Amino acid sequence: GDSVTQMEGPVTLSEEAFLTINCTYTATGYPSLFWYVQYPGEGLQLLLKATKADDKGSNKGFEATYRKETTSFHLEKGSVQVSDSAVYFCALSDQGQAGTALIFGKGTTLSVSS
Amino acid sequence: ETGVTQTPRHLVMGMTNKKSLKCEQHLGHNAMYWYKQSAKKPLELMFVYSLEERVENNSVPSRFSPECPNSSHLFLHLHTLQPEDSALYLCASSQVVRQGDGYTFGSGTRLTVV
Repeated sequence: GDSVTQMEGPVTLSEEAFLTINCTYTATGYPSLFWYVQYPGEGLQLLLKATKADDKGSNKGFEATYRKETTSFHLEKGSVQVSDSAVYFCALSDQGQAGTALIFGKGTTLSVSS
Repeated sequence: ETGVTQTPRHLVMGMTNKKSLKCEQHLGHNAMYWYKQSAKKPLELMFVYSLEERVENNSVPSRFSPECPNSSHLFLHLHTLQPEDSALYLCASSQVVRQGDGYTFGSGTRLTVV
């Protein structure tokens, strides 16, 4: 079945450092790919998405490119801030399958210190 | 109100109590989901409702009982829970045929079973 694998955390960085969180997927169809972020005490918020190969999703300085050849969707940010401290989830959704739920990775905790 | 609203935000209940969690979405979506998020565990999909019909139940114990009276409302009825059921319960909604849009999540209900 479909699955998502993302790097284990926690990831600890200093402010203004470069961030990469790796995500790879396995899917039989043509999935859409997502990154969600969860701040402490909150639900998940959609951070960015890509619906087809070579698409780049971006939001709030974060970027991720849908790479079909490597089945990857790595999250990057050039300069992290303390306010980026949160848990990040990679997810996929197979298009065209009514009622199919999102499949999530296990989440990666990011901690940014000043 | 906009988005997905969950009530209550926090709930403490004894093992013999009966309580219900409520989720309401104001987005015109036609699919709704319950997820369980426990510490140090991946997100667990519990129930999926598509067009008000249950389409997936991932072997959830019968002490959890979902109800979806219409496309805007979703309930999770709880009875005779165990301490290991303590978790953050997240509700989400989406459009069934637009999987590329992802899901919108509520802020969750933090449940503690004592």
